[in-house]
This record gives sequence, structure tokens and C-alpha cells, in this order.
Amino acid sequence: ETGVTQTPRHLVMGMTNKKSLKCEQHLGHNAMYWYKQSAKKPLELMFVYNFKEQTENNSVPSRFSPECPNSSHLFLHLHTLQPEDSALYLCASIHSAKGANTGELFFGEGSRLTVL
Amino acid sequence: AQTVTQSQPEMSVQEAETVTLSCTYDTSESNYYLFWYKQPPSRQMILVIRQEAYKQQNATENRFSVNFQKAAKSFSLKISDSQLGDTAMYFCAFSSLNAGGTSYGKLTFGQGTILTVHP
Repeated sequence: ETGVTQTPRHLVMGMTNKKSLKCEQHLGHNAMYWYKQSAKKPLELMFVYNFKEQTENNSVPSRFSPECPNSSHLFLHLHTLQPEDSALYLCASIHSAKGANTGELFFGEGSRLTVL
Repeated sequence: AQTVTQSQPEMSVQEAETVTLSCTYDTSESNYYLFWYKQPPSRQMILVIRQEAYKQQNATENRFSVNFQKAAKSFSLKISDSQLGDTAMYFCAFSSLNAGGTSYGKLTFGQGTILTVHP
């Protein structure tokens, strides 16, 4: 099992569809993140979850809805997206504990989303 | 808020040569982490090297080393003896630390530099 697994790897959806992205980490980490990677732009932090609780929503539109049922799984539910939402969505995890944190994020391979 | 700037959108280097990727950042904090991440084509992003701001000694990891200039807020990556497998996009990233001295994991990334290693 790779450390952080994302499915699907590729997704094409229309603006009226509802779909979900899934992330699973097998590293025993307790914090998980969604980042958006668009062409020619820095990675943008979207959401942060610590111990299943959302601790940050970086002004993300409500058409993106995250869900974290446990420390190992993270979902991003997508609804009525816009073409400008087409991007690579990266999931990452870290062990967030005092004195035991190197700051290294572990990333999945990403889900390439195309909104038509 | 912190910002990270990578001024080189693309770089190329011949195999076995040395290349340096530039990164500058802006912060008012005194303690933080800096990172270089590598994202190969269609593959996951992985950590290349990490620098703790309170350490004056530059970090090294095999063929990868950094030149950390804290006063100038500069953090460049040097890749020696470049290999074809080094072809990737490289991201410079900044992480604030919490009161306990550990990272929140909320990294601020630069725009990335596409590095191509030619045979």
C-alpha cells in the first residue's frame, strides 16, 4: 500500500454532476489536507482536518464540500462545479504532534479533474 | 501572510552538470521550516530537502543541497551531478511553526520551476 492513495486519478464531469474524490492514508497520520494545483499557479490550500475536525477552510466555495469520517479517510464532494475548477486536487497528510513533527507533508498522486 | 517566489518558470541542464533553482520568501516570523518538493510528471510530490530556520548550517541530502540565507530570505536548491530522473517540477515551500515548535502542515508554495535534464 502506498502512503497516500487518491481515487479516481482522472475525473471528467459536467457542471451539473455530483461526484466525490477520495483520499486514504496508511501512515497513521492525524492531519489531512486538500490542496488545489492549477497550471502556472502555486498550490492552494483548501481544507485542513486535524483528528477528523475541520480546522481550516481557506475561503473555498460551497460547491466543494469536504468530509473526514476518520483520521485515515478524506473526501471532497463536488457539486455544480465551474470550468475554472478544473485542476489537480492533491491530498496530503502529516503527523501533527508536538515534538514529533518534521513538517513533511506526504502527498497522494492527485485527482485530475476536468469540468466541462 | 507569507509569500514564496520562484522566479524561474523553467530550467534545463545537461546530465551530470550542476543546476541551481532559486527561491525567495517573505515572512515576519523568526522560526519556520523551508522545503523543496519534487513533482515528477504524473507522479506524486515528494520531499527533497528540508531546512529549519534556526539552523545556520545548510541542509544536504546526497546530491541535493541548499543555500539558506536567512537575512536575505533566500533558499536556493543546488542539484549536483544531475540525472535524467531529476526531471520534474520543483516547488519551494514555507511552513510556519506553532507555539510548540512544530509545523501546522499548512505549507505556502511557490509557483514551481520545471527542470528538464537532457542526456
